[in-house]
Amino acid sequence: QSALTQPRSVSGSPGQSVTISCTGTSSDVGGYDYVSWYQHHPGKAPKFMIYDVSQRPSGVPDRFSGSKSGNTASLTISGLQAEDEADYYCCSYAGSYTEVFGTGTKVTVL
Amino acid sequence: QVQLQQSGPGLVKSSQTLSLTCDISGDSVSSNSAAWNWIRQSPSRGLEWLGRTYYRSRWYTDFAGSVSSRISINPDTSKNQVSLQVNSVTPEDTAVYYCARGYSYGQSGRHYFDSWGLGILVTVSS
Repeated sequence: QSALTQPRSVSGSPGQSVTISCTGTSSDVGGYDYVSWYQHHPGKAPKFMIYDVSQRPSGVPDRFSGSKSGNTASLTISGLQAEDEADYYCCSYAGSYTEVFGTGTKVTVL
Repeated sequence: QVQLQQSGPGLVKSSQTLSLTCDISGDSVSSNSAAWNWIRQSPSRGLEWLGRTYYRSRWYTDFAGSVSSRISINPDTSKNQVSLQVNSVTPEDTAVYYCARGYSYGQSGRHYFDSWGLGILVTVSS
């Protein structure tokens, strides 16, 4: 099972929007609406941000939104804030009771 | 609030066995609603899901195909822990290892990783 492909880095100024793509195949992202996103500040525990492609767990700001088209899922951060600077990982169900993560994207707030 | 803490040796020699434990508080390893996952992170591979164990009238385990021949994940109900063993390690197994709870969300009922430990760095020396 190959890792899902994410851009290595994206950046934006405070208040702007950034979008992170997560590209897989029809065997994972494209085959199931079971994509999730995780925020990771180095040295801290990763944080659960999005599930079922576009749903936010309780407590996650509505600045974070998810979507999917075909084999590519996306995470958009609107109204970028300094504390959003972190690494972001997508994850998808990959069939046969397995999961696959993305390669990770570093978000930099300029 | 679920808290997870990984522990184990930080240095393992090539060809030996890596053994880690995850102490669970705020939930039960035997919960019928949760699954207990091991995930690792390395600079070369990013996050990699390794496997999970969960209890649904009996114990189940699922493993990633890339490591399924070398790993075992076992619950310890007496200590409310879950353990990971990786056999025949190589320097490629050097990573930060995380324990994470999988919990059901939304109408899909799929499990997502909603609580994570801080992780433990394990270095495999050649």
